[in-house]
Amino acid sequence: NFMLTQPHSVSESPGKTVTISCTRSSGSIASNYVQWYQQRPGSSPTTVIYEDNQRPSGVPDRFSGSIDSSSNSASLTISGLKTEDEADYYCQSYDSSNFYVFGTGTKVTVL
Amino acid sequence: EVQLVESGGGLVQPGGSLRLSCAASGFTFSSYWMHWVRQAPGKGLVWVSRINSDGSSTSYADSVKGRFTISRDNAKNTLYLQMNSLRAEDTAVYYCVAAEVRRPYYFDYWGQGTLVTVSS
Repeated sequence: NFMLTQPHSVSESPGKTVTISCTRSSGSIASNYVQWYQQRPGSSPTTVIYEDNQRPSGVPDRFSGSIDSSSNSASLTISGLKTEDEADYYCQSYDSSNFYVFGTGTKVTVL
Repeated sequence: EVQLVESGGGLVQPGGSLRLSCAASGFTFSSYWMHWVRQAPGKGLVWVSRINSDGSSTSYADSVKGRFTISRDNAKNTLYLQMNSLRAEDTAVYYCVAAEVRRPYYFDYWGQGTLVTVSS
C-alpha cells in the first residue's frame, strides 16, 4: 500500500492564497483519482474537490485541485482566503485492490 | 435529505466486542458502496473497511483485518461493523460513509460519527 503525505500546517492572511500538497509514496498519483475533504472542528468531513479537480455543487470556485506527475503529488489551492476556510484538509486516493488512503492532514489557519 | 445515523458506540474493555450500525435514508442505499472511516482523538482520518452495493465484496485495512467484519442489509437500509478483539488503538470516532457505485472512491455522504472507547 501507499501513503499520502501532507504538510502539517499552513497559515496565511485573509484574501491571500494557500496551496496544500499531497505526495504519494509509491505508484503514480495520476493512476487513481484524488479527492480533498474539509473538516471543521467538531464536524464531519465534507468534499471540496473530487476526481482531481472537480468541485461539488455549492463549493466556491476559490477551491481548486490539480495533479503534478513530475512530483507525484496533488495540490489543493484556496484563493481569496476567508476565515471560514480555517479547518483541517485531507487528501484521499485509492488503489486497484480497493484499498483507500487518506493523507496525513493539513491544518489551515487564517491569520 | 440524505441522512446517515451511526449507533452502537460506547466504552468496551480490551479484547471485547462491539457492533456498530448505520441507518441510511434520503438516497437509494442499494446503489451505493459503503465505507467505515475512523478518527482517533486529535488525529487524522483512517479508512477502515468498505462493502460494495450488494454486499458480495469487502475489503479491510490491514490494522483491522481478521478482527472487524463489515456487512449490510439493503432491505433495512443499514450498514454494520462487527468489531472483535478490540484494542486500545481502536479508540476513535467511527464514521459511516456512502459512495455512489459509479464513483466508489468519492466519499460523498458522511454520518455524524459514533465514539468507540476501548479501555479497562
